[in-house]
Amino acid sequence: DIQLTQSPSSLSASVGDRVTITCRASQPMTNYLNWYQQRPGKAPRLLIFAASTLQSGVPSRFSGSRSGADFTLTISSLQPEDVATYYCQQGYTIPPFGQGTKLDIK
Amino acid sequence: QVQLVQSGAEVKKPGASVKVSCKASGYAFIRYGISWVRQAPGQGLEWMGWIGANNGNTKYEQRFQGRVTMTSDTSTGTAYMDLRSLRSDDTAVYYCARDHIAVGATFFDYWGQGTLVTVSS
Repeated sequence: DIQLTQSPSSLSASVGDRVTITCRASQPMTNYLNWYQQRPGKAPRLLIFAASTLQSGVPSRFSGSRSGADFTLTISSLQPEDVATYYCQQGYTIPPFGQGTKLDIK
Repeated sequence: QVQLVQSGAEVKKPGASVKVSCKASGYAFIRYGISWVRQAPGQGLEWMGWIGANNGNTKYEQRFQGRVTMTSDTSTGTAYMDLRSLRSDDTAVYYCARDHIAVGATFFDYWGQGTLVTVSS
């Protein structure tokens, strides 16, 4: 089974900061890696699929990339509405989700 | 537009069963599967299983085998998740999500609003 490990588990940043969240896969995998945003009290929302494709309607400050076993979600300029928990998810094996990264504003 | 609308909150006693519905609209129901994901208070997302809306095929996470049944009604475009022998640690928000499977990608592109199931004596 492929395990996903997210880092950090939580972080605080200032409005306008560049924020990076990493998801490391325990085994080699192709680009079946997706990112979700879950605002407090809300359902998850798809941000990025296939490692780097932006879902329709998602602001362009969000981007995804890959380097080897590490997949990265980047927010280029943090906005107050980005306060949320972010999850990575792989489409190969169970369990599919990383443990989440909680992001808040300093 | 695509929508998944779930049934309302439930309060159940330990040992009881709960059935959560997820009504789809805005797309051809039989073209996509539905996954069920739950989230215990303050915890992360836990995938429970999947149903293929066109043929009723199912796949369940091993820890739910024997306790969960997922079904779908293609005439109404509704998916159901039935969880039996409820325990206090089944208290969670239960989500349905549309499974989008394409060449080079598989992801959950639309989610229901969530259904809170509380298990308490």
